[in-house]
Amino acid sequence: GAVVSQHPSWVICKSGTSVKIECRSLDFQATTMFWYRQFPKQSLMLMATSNEGSKATYEQGVEKDKFLINHASLTLSTLTVTSAHPEDSSFYICSARGRTGARYTFGSGTRLTVV
Amino acid sequence: DAKTTQPPSMDCAEGRAANLPCNHSTISGNEYVYWYRQIHSQGPQYIIHGLKNNETNEMASLIITEDRKSSTLILPHATLRDTAVYYCIVRDRDDKIIFGKGTRLHILP
Repeated sequence: GAVVSQHPSWVICKSGTSVKIECRSLDFQATTMFWYRQFPKQSLMLMATSNEGSKATYEQGVEKDKFLINHASLTLSTLTVTSAHPEDSSFYICSARGRTGARYTFGSGTRLTVV
Repeated sequence: DAKTTQPPSMDCAEGRAANLPCNHSTISGNEYVYWYRQIHSQGPQYIIHGLKNNETNEMASLIITEDRKSSTLILPHATLRDTAVYYCIVRDRDDKIIFGKGTRLHILP
């Protein structure tokens, strides 16, 4: 079945630094990838959608200069949280969909803690 | 906004069938219904999806009403490991998966 690997699974960083999260589709080509954020006891909130080779489309209220998304290949998308602050601490999850599949496959998530 | 409504929580005895309802009254003719679940601190896990016919796989069954305005996910023999938040989702016109609040399913020993 389709597998999406997300790395790292957790990261702690200092305020003001940047953190990069990787999302890889291991056995299929992900034409579209999605990035979500989840705060404790809340549902997943879609942050942005990226298509391979194109600029990401951000949801309303999500700062594109703070959350940089790159989808340079059909198997890799990255989310960089720039100048992180404690309020950026959250659970970040990626999802990928292939060219022909109807199924969306999710990564295992990255817990970011900014101190 | 999510296009589905679900009860916030449900209980089910271990070994019994868990029936999770979902309303999607604004669904259009070519939109699929997806079910995912999320166990604490993990990414959502795919369960099943369907368009208009009932579907069954090794995890669950999906029953979609004839008018497609609602569906029910059935876990035939619930175990403690099925304790999770279950999300019923209709893909939006931009092919995005928008999560609602889901149903928190508690399996009781």
